Amino acid sequence: DAKTTQPPSMDCAEGRAANLPCNHSTISGNEYVYWYRQIHSQGPQYIIHGLKNNETNEMASLIITEDRKSSTLILPHATLRDTAVYYCIAAPRDDKIIFGKGTRLHILP
Amino acid sequence: GAVVSQHPSRVICKSGTSVKIECRSLDFQATTMFWYRQFPKQSLMLMATSNEGSKATYEQGVEKDKFLINHASLTLSTLTVTSAHPEDSSFYICSARGFQTQYFGPGTRLLVL
Repeated sequence: DAKTTQPPSMDCAEGRAANLPCNHSTISGNEYVYWYRQIHSQGPQYIIHGLKNNETNEMASLIITEDRKSSTLILPHATLRDTAVYYCIAAPRDDKIIFGKGTRLHILP
Repeated sequence: GAVVSQHPSRVICKSGTSVKIECRSLDFQATTMFWYRQFPKQSLMLMATSNEGSKATYEQGVEKDKFLINHASLTLSTLTVTSAHPEDSSFYICSARGFQTQYFGPGTRLLVL
C-alpha cells in the first residue's frame, strides 16, 4: 500500500473549518484514500473515502487533487467533540487497513 | 448501520491465564475480520486477518499459537490470548469488512497482572 504522510498535530478553533492534509504521492491507480479518526480510548471511526472524485457526507468532505498525490479532509464546523487522531490511509478496495501515525487534531474553545 | 461490538470492554486477568475476546458484526455479515493491537501513545498495529471458515493469516512477528483466532460464523470472530503475560496488556480492537470499507469495534482493554 502507498505510504501516506500527515502532520503530527494541528489546532483549529471551535466553529471554524478544520482542514487536514495528507500526502500520498506514490498512490496506485487502484488505491482509495480512506479517512478514519480515533477519539481517545475508542475504536477508530470511519469518516469518508474516495478514489479520485471529491466526496462529501454528513461528517466531512474529501478533496483529492487531480494527480491524486494528496488530499484534504475538511470538517466544516469543528466542535470540541472532533478532537481526535485522524488517519489517512491509501489502500486498494477490500484490502486491509494499515494505520500510520495520523494527525492529532486539537479543537480549541 | 455497520455496527461492530466487542465483549468484554475491559478485562483484568492473572499472568498465565487465557482470555477470550469476542467481536460481532451486528447488522451485516462479514466474511473477513481483522484484529489490531494498540499500545499507549502508539498507532494501531494489525495482528491478523481472519476469514470465515478458514485459518487466520497473521502479520509478521505475531505468534499464532499465542493469539488464537476463530472466525466460525459470518458475524463472530474471537481472539484468545493464551498464557497471558503483563507485556500482553494492551488495547485490542477488532474490525469487520463491510460494504466498501472496514468498520471497527469499540476495543477491549486487557490488563494482565
